[in-house]
Amino acid sequence: AQSVTQLDSHVSVSEGTPVLLRCNYSSSYSPSLFWYVQHPNKGLQLLLKYTSAATLVKGINGFEAEFKKSETSFHLTKPSAHMSDAAEYFCVVSYYSSNTGKLIFGQGTTLQVKP
Amino acid sequence: GAVVSQHPSWVICKSGTSVKIECRSLDFQATTMFWYRQFPKQSLMLMATSNEGSKATYEQGVEKDKFLINHASLTLSTLTVTSAHPEDSSFYICSARDPSGASGEKLFFGSGTQLSVL
Repeated sequence: AQSVTQLDSHVSVSEGTPVLLRCNYSSSYSPSLFWYVQHPNKGLQLLLKYTSAATLVKGINGFEAEFKKSETSFHLTKPSAHMSDAAEYFCVVSYYSSNTGKLIFGQGTTLQVKP
Repeated sequence: GAVVSQHPSWVICKSGTSVKIECRSLDFQATTMFWYRQFPKQSLMLMATSNEGSKATYEQGVEKDKFLINHASLTLSTLTVTSAHPEDSSFYICSARDPSGASGEKLFFGSGTQLSVL
């Protein structure tokens, strides 16, 4: 069975400091993994995705994530947080091949960025 | 990138009434659309998969007679919450799959609809 766990429901950082949002998955198959961001009153936006290519994935807005099979992790990082990064972040695993709608969402992590 | 428009963005209705939510792909043809539901402080849960010209496929535990899905064209899927009750109050969000991948990414999300049933 496939599942995804976001280890922190809330993360607070100061502007300019690094961001780490943790995600662990379990999957019987080679997973496709995604990070989405949800700003208030806006739709989900894809930050980045892993689909069995390079294990270090670079996304938009300076975010990146590393797929570690041995640790079944796909943590999201950013070297320096901006105020505009404050949002809800979802780690997502795909049932089948990438970009199907059968996605399993993590519980979400609220990122707070303090000035 | 491709755009998915979802309407309305919020709706308040009385208990017992029906509410229709529309999901449109604006610049691509979406043979498949998906409907999710998000309760406060919880994750999104897939409700159903909507295929153009055929019946929707519902996830386990989702009442198909309660949540009517119609995907009559390649650019429009609708979700109708019938005889809404307060427990149906939730954030509903759709996504649409661009099979051509012309934009480089195949799955796009609408901005969601906040339903409040009084």
